[in-house]
Amino acid sequence: QSALTQPASVSGSPGQSITISCTGTSSDVGGYNYVSWYQQLPGKAPKLMIYDVTSRPSGISNRFSGSKSGNTASLTISGLQAEDEADYFCNSYTSSSTVIFGGGTKLTVL
Amino acid sequence: QVHLVESGGGVVQPGRSLRLSCAASGFTFSNHAMHWVRQAPGKGLEWVALTSYDGTYKYSADSVKGRFTISRDNSKNSLYLQMDSLRPEDTAVYYCAGDRNYFSYGIMDYWGQGTLVTVSS
Repeated sequence: QSALTQPASVSGSPGQSITISCTGTSSDVGGYNYVSWYQQLPGKAPKLMIYDVTSRPSGISNRFSGSKSGNTASLTISGLQAEDEADYFCNSYTSSSTVIFGGGTKLTVL
Repeated sequence: QVHLVESGGGVVQPGRSLRLSCAASGFTFSNHAMHWVRQAPGKGLEWVALTSYDGTYKYSADSVKGRFTISRDNSKNSLYLQMDSLRPEDTAVYYCAGDRNYFSYGIMDYWGQGTLVTVSS
């Protein structure tokens, strides 16, 4: 199964909002509300930022939000800050009871 | 405080085997599905395998099916990955990750620091 499709890179200036997309199929993203988003800082383990498409774990800033339309999920970061510069990955539950990740998006804060 | 500590990585020749371990603490290990996720150098995350909270259900990625086996010992708060017939393309940092649920929907709340596996002759 191929990875979910994410843009390789996005960028934005401090204070702006950016959106990262994550496109799959009806067998994963489109079929279930089980999309999660992870932030990975250089040299660190990933960190859960969003789960169940729109939910935030305790301690995650409300500047991070998630949404989904059809087979595409999105992560929006508002009020961009320098510390948000990182790699972002989406994943989804699949119809085979497995998990699939996106290829990852490098966020650059200009 | 949650801790997941992987061990067992190293350099191994193609075709050989390696067993990774993950020691869990700070949460009720037996209440959570668990995953192995890997990341090749400079690449993205790749899901490898998962086990339900009690070890009844196990699933793995097509890329490792028939070669890698996930298991757990709830009495020892430990997760394992037996890796056989290793290939150079298995070279990666392997992360142990704890799911939010008993049965997994891919929500990985807890992560270890990873252990590097290098497959090379």
